[in-house]
Amino acid sequence: DGGITQSPKYLFRKEGQNVTLSCEQNLNHDAMYWYRQDPGQGLRLIYYSQIVNDFQKGDIAEGYSVSREKKESFPLTVTSAQKNPTAFYLCASSMLGRGAEETQYFGPGTRLLVL
Amino acid sequence: GENVEQHPSTLSVQEGDSAVIKCTYSDSASNYFPWYKQELGKRPQLIIDIRSNVGEKKDQRIAVTLNKTAKHFSLHITETQPEDSAVYFCAASKGGSYIPTFGRGTSLIVHP
Repeated sequence: DGGITQSPKYLFRKEGQNVTLSCEQNLNHDAMYWYRQDPGQGLRLIYYSQIVNDFQKGDIAEGYSVSREKKESFPLTVTSAQKNPTAFYLCASSMLGRGAEETQYFGPGTRLLVL
Repeated sequence: GENVEQHPSTLSVQEGDSAVIKCTYSDSASNYFPWYKQELGKRPQLIIDIRSNVGEKKDQRIAVTLNKTAKHFSLHITETQPEDSAVYFCAASKGGSYIPTFGRGTSLIVHP
């Protein structure tokens, strides 16, 4: 899991501001994922991507956007439309394909706080 | 879609005791069941997983059992130690979907 990095570790957002969270992996994994974690809520899927230039909405995509221009990178933008963005954001990646491990490997997370 | 229920939400044990966390799933097509451990402020890390063609898997003090008929699976930790204190998540996914559904987590507290 040392092959997945997220930055920054802490991020502060002002009202009405868009902020972007970075996620990079050097594991040559095809799929990447963004989760939001709130106390007592477990891990909720925001977006995922299984191939470059393609991504799918998860369970709580409203107020978020992503891009997948490179296999290694999957940035998440928290837009001003997300009214309650304070949470711990986790990026993950996994292999795809027949016989491939389905295990997800997680980054260290970004804690987003609203000023 | 898949629904995963996890119990209990909090589990407090004395050092040396055993701990059991249980999960149920709704989609009979699910066939991969990982367990993750997350220490405070850190990333979830895989500790053990099981596939639907196996009923039990062990790794030292940790074991996972799967009952496909009843659609539930459990994590067993024996001889618990204070460093086992963490939040544990179960998950279920269907082969080829690569999108796991997570339980809400169990906070395990091991008292020295």
